[in-house]
Amino acid sequence: GESVGLHLPTLSVQEGDNSIINCAYSNSASDYFIWYKQESGKGPQFIIDIRSNMDKRQGQRVTVLLNKTVKHLSLQIAATQPGDSAVYFCAESMNSGYSTLTFGKGTMLLVSP
Amino acid sequence: DSGVTQTPKHLITATGQRVTLRCSPRSGDLSVYWYQQSLDQGLQFLIQYYNGEERAKGNILERFSAQQFPDLHSELNLSSLELGDSALYFCASSQGIQETQYFGPGTRLLVL
Repeated sequence: GESVGLHLPTLSVQEGDNSIINCAYSNSASDYFIWYKQESGKGPQFIIDIRSNMDKRQGQRVTVLLNKTVKHLSLQIAATQPGDSAVYFCAESMNSGYSTLTFGKGTMLLVSP
Repeated sequence: DSGVTQTPKHLITATGQRVTLRCSPRSGDLSVYWYQQSLDQGLQFLIQYYNGEERAKGNILERFSAQQFPDLHSELNLSSLELGDSALYFCASSQGIQETQYFGPGTRLLVL
């Protein structure tokens, strides 16, 4: 079946830089998207979500952008800090979240001081 | 700390054995989800319970089963274990069916 895809890249940035993590999804019926952060030895932690009736949503230091035309989702982290180092997953769902989540494979973000 | 607790943190067992993983959801959450995370498959949804009833099923093997008890804690039973079942098993909970899922710290299962 269709699934969210991350090509498991590793993104290395310097502290203070802005980071952009990308996600391509293939299920055009998906209408709810979430970003999770997973630090080593811990469970995934909710960062931010967005519904398909929006194209941008901002949180604290994070912004999620949704481009439904090309089925692309991105997570922008401003002023990246060493504590942001983790694996980031995007996940998708249908029916405004009433269906189960499908996770991508993750992107490793490494932040150097 | 998400408020979701899982026990045990680590589990080492042999092929053919059966184990039970336990999850306590956040206070007030009615939904519990189980996920398996392995290096080759990523994070895979297994099963969801809502207020004691099975709500959705994902890629859960027939050798695996789960239940949610009246106090809302949940158990995932894994039987006839195989080497390939070695993975991290996460539980998540949410208030209802649609709300944000909060994950526990996971149980690392190693099958030898």
